[in-house]
Amino acid sequence: QQQVKQSPQSLIVQKGGISIINCAYENTAFDYFPWYQQFPGKGPALLIAIRPDVSEKKEGRFTISFNKSAKQFSLHIMDSQPGDSATYFCAASTKSSGDKLTFGTGTRLAVRP
Amino acid sequence: DGGITQSPKYLFRKEGQNVTLSCEQNLNHDAMYWYRQDPGQGLRLIYYSQIVNDFQKGDIAEGYSVSREKKESFPLTVTSAQKNPTAFYLCASSSSVAGLNEQFFGPGTRLTVL
Repeated sequence: QQQVKQSPQSLIVQKGGISIINCAYENTAFDYFPWYQQFPGKGPALLIAIRPDVSEKKEGRFTISFNKSAKQFSLHIMDSQPGDSATYFCAASTKSSGDKLTFGTGTRLAVRP
Repeated sequence: DGGITQSPKYLFRKEGQNVTLSCEQNLNHDAMYWYRQDPGQGLRLIYYSQIVNDFQKGDIAEGYSVSREKKESFPLTVTSAQKNPTAFYLCASSSSVAGLNEQFFGPGTRLTVL
C-alpha cells in the first residue's frame, strides 16, 4: 500500500527558530510532493511543492529538501513565527494515480513567542 | 470569488439517519475529492471523481456514497451503514491540466453523530 510516513507528530519551536518536519515514502513512482498548511477549523492550503528533478525548493521562509535516493523529503521553516502555528501535512502522488494524493498523518507545530 | 464551498459548517445527526454534505466549486475543475479527517490520522480519501458522471472509491468508501451529475457539484452522503461517522469532512478539487496537481480545499463540514 502506498504510504507516506511523517514525523514528528508535534513540534514546539521558539520564535525565530527553525522548524523541521520530515516525511518518508516507499513508492518510487511518486513524482509530486506537496506540503499543506492547515489552521484549526479550516481546510488545508498548499504551502509549497516539489518534483523529484530538483533537490531543493525555496519560497520565502519555507524550503523543501528532497532526497530521492533516501526516499525522503522535509519542510524547513526558517525564522519561525507564532503565525506559523498550524498543522502541516506532507503528501505525494503519481501521474498514474490521476493526482490522487496520499497524505502523511500531520505535524502540529506550535511557535512560542 | 473563485473557490470551494461546503455546507453546512456543522451538522448533527442521530444514529441511523442518512445525511448529505454539500460541495460546490466554481474553479472549473474536472476532478473533485472527498476526505475524512480524524485526529492523528491525517486525511483519508473517501471518493474521488475525475469527470462528470464518473467516480471511484478511495481508501475508506464503505458507508458513504457520492454522485457527480454536474461538474461543479460533488455531494457526499453519509449513510447509516457508516459505523463511526463523527469526523471533519473536507472536499477538494483540482485541474486536469497536465502538471497542475494542486488540490484546493473547502472549509470543511464537522459532522457529529448524537
